[in-house]
Amino acid sequence: AQRVTQPEKLLSVFKGAPVELKCNYSYSGSPELFWYVQYSRQRLQLLLRHISRESIKGFTADLNKGETSFHLKKPFAQEEDSAMYYCALSALSGAGSYQLTFGKGTKLSVIP
Amino acid sequence: DAGVTQSPTHLIKTRGQQVTLRCSPKSGHDTVSWYQQALGQGPQFIFQYYEEEERQRGNFPDRFSGHQFPNYSSELNVNALLLGDSALYLCASSFQGGQPQHFGDGTRLSIL
Repeated sequence: AQRVTQPEKLLSVFKGAPVELKCNYSYSGSPELFWYVQYSRQRLQLLLRHISRESIKGFTADLNKGETSFHLKKPFAQEEDSAMYYCALSALSGAGSYQLTFGKGTKLSVIP
Repeated sequence: DAGVTQSPTHLIKTRGQQVTLRCSPKSGHDTVSWYQQALGQGPQFIFQYYEEEERQRGNFPDRFSGHQFPNYSSELNVNALLLGDSALYLCASSFQGGQPQHFGDGTRLSIL
């Protein structure tokens, strides 16, 4: 069975400081990893996925299969980055569909 | 495009009652997944519907059931409600069960 661990419930950083939200996973197969974000009073939305290897809103995440990690990073935090961040793993089921397994989330608070 | 829509927004029930939640997928999507998000937790996969059949199921009792209609919309039914069923219920849609999934705003279910 797959598992996603986000060790920090809350992360507070000052504006302009670097941000790193940690995510570790366990899965025996080849995973696809995602970061979802939920801003205040908004729906859960996709921030980025590892296969696209792109930077969204200044955030990047690299899949490290050796350390089974997919940490989210941003060099300079902005106030508008304050939100709830969820790491998720997509695993192919025997039924041929993909199931998302989420971590418990990290609340990022950027202090002005 | 309204994206994924869910109804109702909020619902209050008492123990032992039954509830039905509804979801319309994003235009062009044919697969609907349901998640339960308890307070302080990440979303937890309940089941997925594709071609009007339950394709995959998470670790939830048979009290949780669903249905998908020919227009791809879906319902989540929960029987014999327990206090522990109080949560935010999220619907997500995708094309042919792939990624990424797009989420709705959720239905907040409170059990008294």
